[in-house]
Amino acid sequence: DVKVTQSSRYLVKRTGEKVFLECVQDMDHENMFWYRQDPGLGLRLIYFSYDVKMKEKGDIPEGYSVSREKKERFSLILESASTNQTSMYLCASSPPDSFYGYTFGSGTRLTVV
Amino acid sequence: AQSVTQPDIHITVSEGASLELRCNYSYGATPYLFWYVQSPGQGLQLLLKYFSGDTLVQGIKGFEAEFKRSQSSFNLRKPSVHWSDAAEYFCAVGAAQAGTALIFGKGTTLSVSS
Repeated sequence: DVKVTQSSRYLVKRTGEKVFLECVQDMDHENMFWYRQDPGLGLRLIYFSYDVKMKEKGDIPEGYSVSREKKERFSLILESASTNQTSMYLCASSPPDSFYGYTFGSGTRLTVV
Repeated sequence: AQSVTQPDIHITVSEGASLELRCNYSYGATPYLFWYVQSPGQGLQLLLKYFSGDTLVQGIKGFEAEFKRSQSSFNLRKPSVHWSDAAEYFCAVGAAQAGTALIFGKGTTLSVSS
């Protein structure tokens, strides 16, 4: 079964820490995405990547960066975690044509204290 | 501006009753349209999608959706709801263009009463 795997299901970090959220897909997909999900706000795009070492800002990139050194792995980095970054983070991947839809990971619930 | 609107934040339906979840979109190009479902604590699962052809599309779990270009709508329906359908539902729109990402609505939470 094809998968998008997010390394942590739950994460608690302290304010000011540098936080890495990892996502790995085994479908050889070109596109990978990071969304955050908050109640009442739906899914908001943070960053996406359509190729290795390529990245594009989404709607809310402030306070985040990403890394894609290998096709299968897409990392989201919180440079200095803040309490307003407490959220559910969802990773997804897709082929180049988005008609095939996205495959999502199970999410990482991050709490910043 | 490109956007997706799901007018209903929360809907409660009796088990066995029919369901319709509304989705309206604003998009410059001919869009791809999707419905996803998210069970509590899980990621999103694709229910169905539409790009062209028959405007009534069938998906998994007995769901269907109808595309109405004149109304810029893509409403999700199910004839008879089961308790296991309780979840959050997201409508999304995208473009047939590399380097773009799907835009999601804010979601509709479905509760099923017995």
